[in-house]
This record gives sequence, C-alpha cells and structure tokens, in this order.
Amino acid sequence: DIQMTQSPSSVSASVGDRVTITCRASQVISGWLAWYQQKPGKAPELLIYAASSLQSGVPSRFSGSGSGTDFTLTISSLQPEDFATYYCQQANSFPLTFGGGTKVDIK
Amino acid sequence: QVHLVQSGAEVKKPGSSVKVSCKSSGGTFSSYAFSWVRQAPGQGLEWMGRIIPIFGTINYAQKFQDRLTFTADESTSTLYLALSSLTSEDTAVYYCARRINLTPEYYFDLWGQGTLVTVSS
Repeated sequence: DIQMTQSPSSVSASVGDRVTITCRASQVISGWLAWYQQKPGKAPELLIYAASSLQSGVPSRFSGSGSGTDFTLTISSLQPEDFATYYCQQANSFPLTFGGGTKVDIK
Repeated sequence: QVHLVQSGAEVKKPGSSVKVSCKSSGGTFSSYAFSWVRQAPGQGLEWMGRIIPIFGTINYAQKFQDRLTFTADESTSTLYLALSSLTSEDTAVYYCARRINLTPEYYFDLWGQGTLVTVSS
C-alpha cells in the first residue's frame, strides 16, 4: 500500500496568512493526488484533483502543485472559513490511501 | 442538484452486522463509480473499496475482504454497505462518495453526510 505522509500535523495561522501543507507519497504516484477540506461533523470536500486542478466552485486562493512523490497545498490568504482539517489522497492505485491530516487552526 | 443521502446512526453489539444505505437523489446513478470511506472518532480517512453499479464491478480493501459486502439497487439509485463480525474498532462514521466524472482516477466530488456506526456491548 502507498503511504501518504502529511506535514505539519497542525498549523496555527491568522486570517490573511499564507499556509502551505505538504504531502509525501511512499512511492511515485505521478500527479494522481487530491486535496480535501473537512470541517468538524461534516464530510470532506474536494478542493484539488490531479495535483493542481481546482475543483469547480473552490476559491482560487487554494492551489496545488507537485508530482512524483512530493505535493503541496497552498492557501494564499487564509480566510475565516478555511479553518479546518486538510487531507491528501493518492489516486494512483488501490487501495486508495489518505494522509493523516493537517489541522489549520486560529493563531 | 444531486445529493447522497445516507441512513441513520446505528448502535451494534460486537459480533453483529450492520447495513448502511446511500441513496442518490437526482442525476444519473449508474454511470458513476462510488467508494465507501470510513473515519474513526478523531482519526483520519480510510478507504474501504469501490463499486461501479453499471458494470457490477466491486473491489474491497484487503483488510475488509472477508466481512464487507457492497451492493447497489439501480431501481432506487441506492448503494449498500454491509459489514459483519463487528468489533469496537469498527466504530466510525461511514461515508459513501462519488467519483468525479472528469477523470478515470478516483477523486471524490460528492459525499454523503455520513452514518455513525457505534459498536458497543
């Protein structure tokens, strides 16, 4: 199984900050990676797919990059509604696997 | 607008089974692929398997292979997850999720609201 490692596990930030979350795969997954946002008590929501494609309706302050084994999610200017937990997911092969999550909370 | 609506919370005894439903309201059901994903309390996301109703294709994650069953009723646009031999480690929120139709890869653009399954004696 492909292991997905996210860092940091948590980050404290202020509104307007630039936030970067990284995700590393245990083997090459080309660009087959997604990022999700999850708020407490809610289902995850797709932000980015295929490493850098912005899902319809997602604000442009979210962006994704990377290929191979190393990927990044960037929030260019953190908004109050962005405080949540973020997960990466590899779509290269079954079983699909997720990173452990990064919680973004208020500084 | 399409929604995935799941059945309500369940409380089960260890050793018993549970069946969770996921109904697609609106849109085309059969042309999509779906997965089930679970999340233990305070933990991350765990993929359980996938089903493509129109082809009858089903794959389970190996750890669930012996006690997990996915079915689909195309007449009611409903998916089902059945998990047997429950233990406390199966206590989790179970989500159904629809694969995005833009790519063949499994990214999930639509999720059910989740069903909490609690296993307790």
